[in-house]
Amino acid sequence: IAGITQAPTSQILAAGRRMTLRCTQDMRHNAMYWYRQDLGLGLRLIHYSNTAGTTGKGEVPDGYSVSRANTDDFPLTLASAVPSQTSVYFCASSPTSGSANEQFFGPGTRLTVL
Amino acid sequence: GQNIDQPTEMTATEGAIVQINCTYQTSGFNGLFWYQQHAGEAPTFLSYNVLDGLEEKGRFSSFLSRSKGYSYLLLKELQMKDSASYLCAVSTGDYKLSFGAGTTVTVRA
Repeated sequence: IAGITQAPTSQILAAGRRMTLRCTQDMRHNAMYWYRQDLGLGLRLIHYSNTAGTTGKGEVPDGYSVSRANTDDFPLTLASAVPSQTSVYFCASSPTSGSANEQFFGPGTRLTVL
Repeated sequence: GQNIDQPTEMTATEGAIVQINCTYQTSGFNGLFWYQQHAGEAPTFLSYNVLDGLEEKGRFSSFLSRSKGYSYLLLKELQMKDSASYLCAVSTGDYKLSFGAGTTVTVRA
């Protein structure tokens, strides 16, 4: 693994189903983030984690949950998917959560909820 | 809330110069980032400005005026591979990065 990876690449999901998007980084970064990107709206922060064992809510957290059991993994779970959660999801990481830190992005997961 | 504005689209000719403006009104300011995003790919870091002035990196330069809430990204000697979306993002504190909607630049031969 080099950098940050996400799985799956894309997924079509029926409304009401549970879905977990996976994110793994091998850069030993302390901070990790989940964003969604929608046309005309830009990237919006869903949840973040400053370090393993801690998580926090971003701008649009409703309907999503995260966990950070270790440094490398930061899964995002949709407990009961709805069509408005159709989006492209990007995971990102940075050495720390400090404001000057560049964030490194994964390749994204394109999710369609029908 | 945070308000970050940038033009939706710009078109320029190969070899030319293009300037992408970004204006912001945010609660707090800890620096401004520019990211490049090719279609279907992840955003990648281009520049970071926290002090007023111009930062130059090869063909790309970024300018910041904190008093005016204004930044621009200057792309010189445009190449076809520069066709992408350019995202302006303002850091308003630890972990808090607010993004504009992005400017799609199309480079024509």
